[in-house]
Amino acid sequence: QSALTQPASVSGSPGQSITISCTGTSSDVGSYNLVSWYQHHPGKAPKFIIYEGSKRPSGVSNRFSGSKSGNTASLTISGLQAEDEADYYCCSYAGSSTWVFGGGTKLTVL
Amino acid sequence: QITLKESGPTLVKPTQTLTLTCTFSGFSLRTSGVGVAWIRQPPGKALEWLALIYWDDDKRYSPSLKSRLTITKDTSKNQVVLTMTNMDPVDTATYYCAHISLNWYAFDIWGQGTMVTVSS
Repeated sequence: QSALTQPASVSGSPGQSITISCTGTSSDVGSYNLVSWYQHHPGKAPKFIIYEGSKRPSGVSNRFSGSKSGNTASLTISGLQAEDEADYYCCSYAGSSTWVFGGGTKLTVL
Repeated sequence: QITLKESGPTLVKPTQTLTLTCTFSGFSLRTSGVGVAWIRQPPGKALEWLALIYWDDDKRYSPSLKSRLTITKDTSKNQVVLTMTNMDPVDTATYYCAHISLNWYAFDIWGQGTMVTVSS
């Protein structure tokens, strides 16, 4: 069970859109539509922003959207705002009630 | 409102056993489809899923750490306990507990985390 692969960093200017990829295998991302995404501001508790690949929990901005194709899931943030600057993690169900996180992506809002 | 709070030692010595407690409110671990997980984050590194216990006492562990972990629950006290044996400096991390609902197969509410340093 290896960590999912995410880019170490991405950046964008306010108002722009960015996409963070999350690549797994046919044993996790590719087998289940159960990818979730978390926003983590250092020193705070991670916040759950996407589940089942593309669904937003109540209260999460519609600027956050998710998708999946094959073994790769993606998180898109549109209309970037300064408050979006954080670390973002994907997580996938990996079968037998086990879970695997991605390596995390640091988003910088320029 | 669901809340979770981690507690335990801030410093442990190498080879010792770490015991962490997650005390929660706002839900019951008797409710079908509910679980509590432990997740950690070493300084400057990624999140890592460690273990999970469900309402029906089903327990799951990270394959890479399975031999060192034990997760238990005390439903009457609304607590979940994680023990990790043979601690090493590489286990230095912030340890989080989180609520999981099988309604959406995601860790929807997290505690603030507790930092554990492993050093002699």
